[in-house]
Amino acid sequence: EAQVTQNPRYLITVTGKKLTVTCSQNMNHEYMSWYRQDPGLGLRQIYYSMNVEVTDKGDVPEGYKVSRKEKRNFPLILESPSPNQTSLYFCASSVRGNTEAFFGQGTRLTVV
Amino acid sequence: QQQVKQSPQSLIVQKGGISIINCAYENTAFDYFPWYQQFPGKGPALLIAIRPDVSEKKEGRFTISFNKSAKQFSLHIMDSQPGDSATYFCAASMTWGKLQFGAGTQVVVTP
Repeated sequence: EAQVTQNPRYLITVTGKKLTVTCSQNMNHEYMSWYRQDPGLGLRQIYYSMNVEVTDKGDVPEGYKVSRKEKRNFPLILESPSPNQTSLYFCASSVRGNTEAFFGQGTRLTVV
Repeated sequence: QQQVKQSPQSLIVQKGGISIINCAYENTAFDYFPWYQQFPGKGPALLIAIRPDVSEKKEGRFTISFNKSAKQFSLHIMDSQPGDSATYFCAASMTWGKLQFGAGTQVVVTP
């Protein structure tokens, strides 16, 4: 089954404690991205990757890091989380930027 | 600032009625305009998409209308059903560009 898998689904952490949210896709897609979803703001892109070792900033990259060492994996790293990063996070993959994007189930992050 | 503006923020429609959601964009380089549907607790899923070389696309009860000169596009849900209750996002992108989403519209279909 074609899918994008994110882990964990829920995470509560404390300010400043480094965390990683994993994302993996099994569709051999070149394009992967991370979004955060906040009420009234829709989905905002954090980072995206057009291929292995190729990443670029989205609209809200501050406080986040990503890496793309393998085609299927695109982890999101928060080196020093802060309460304003409390949000619902989605990973997505697609063939290109202007083709159907497949989304994961989401990760609800709470930073206290 | 959001490159894709979506309205209304929410709407309530009776079963069998028509739901209409509008979006406007500024960047004329966008060449792909999808609509995503999101149910609570789930990730968004592609509902229907259009490219700027056509003015309308229909899939079942869902229709996209596209007005290139006005830089606007809209989603029409005909014969709305309770199962259509969800949040709908319009979006726009370029070939290797970022997918820019609207703020979303929460649709509630009453029985």
